[in-house]
Amino acid sequence: NAGVTQTPKFQVLKTGQSMTLQCAQDMNHNSMYWYRQDPGMGLRLIYYSASEGTTDKGEVPNGYNVSRLNKREFSLRLESAAPSQTSVYFCASGRNTEAFFGQGTRLTVV
Amino acid sequence: KQEVTQIPAALSVPEGENLVLNCSFTDSAIYNLQWFRQDPGKGLTSLLLIQSSQREQTSGRLNASLDKSSGRSTLYIAASQPGDSATYLCAVQGGSQGNLIFGKGTKLSVKP
Repeated sequence: NAGVTQTPKFQVLKTGQSMTLQCAQDMNHNSMYWYRQDPGMGLRLIYYSASEGTTDKGEVPNGYNVSRLNKREFSLRLESAAPSQTSVYFCASGRNTEAFFGQGTRLTVV
Repeated sequence: KQEVTQIPAALSVPEGENLVLNCSFTDSAIYNLQWFRQDPGKGLTSLLLIQSSQREQTSGRLNASLDKSSGRSTLYIAASQPGDSATYLCAVQGGSQGNLIFGKGTKLSVKP
């Protein structure tokens, strides 16, 4: 069972570069989420999508954009990367209750 | 604003011990509470989900309890093993959208 798949697993960017993190789920969930995990801060919600065609801001949305391409896919875009965006990014999907997470993307911005 | 606190931040025990991890939250109006395990450099694995109407859930050697009125949950691990070494995260869902508020985790080390 694939569950939630994220690509890439690792990425190094230079300040000002852009990139898109991809996420796909095969569990037919309506809701999908993007979190970032930083040492000492725990996991924080960036954006979420309650259903295909809708997206909403979470706790830390600045510097990010998202696209819910279809029910399976939810992408996170950094338009102009900054060192403060160095983090581990997790995508998740869920029913109304239980959440399932991908393996994460470790992003370093230099 | 909902805040989730996990105590202790780190715990080291010898193999075979029974142990308790604690989680507290400030707003008792939650939909559910979920416990996760995270191994170094890996994603989150769901361990137990407790709905707001439930008092506890069990899976193998794991038992999680929920006391909404006092804003507390505990994760009990029986007969700990070195393979249980990981960071354990507690998260609460405060609304129907499914957004989770996480604690910072308890890093568990079980020594052989």
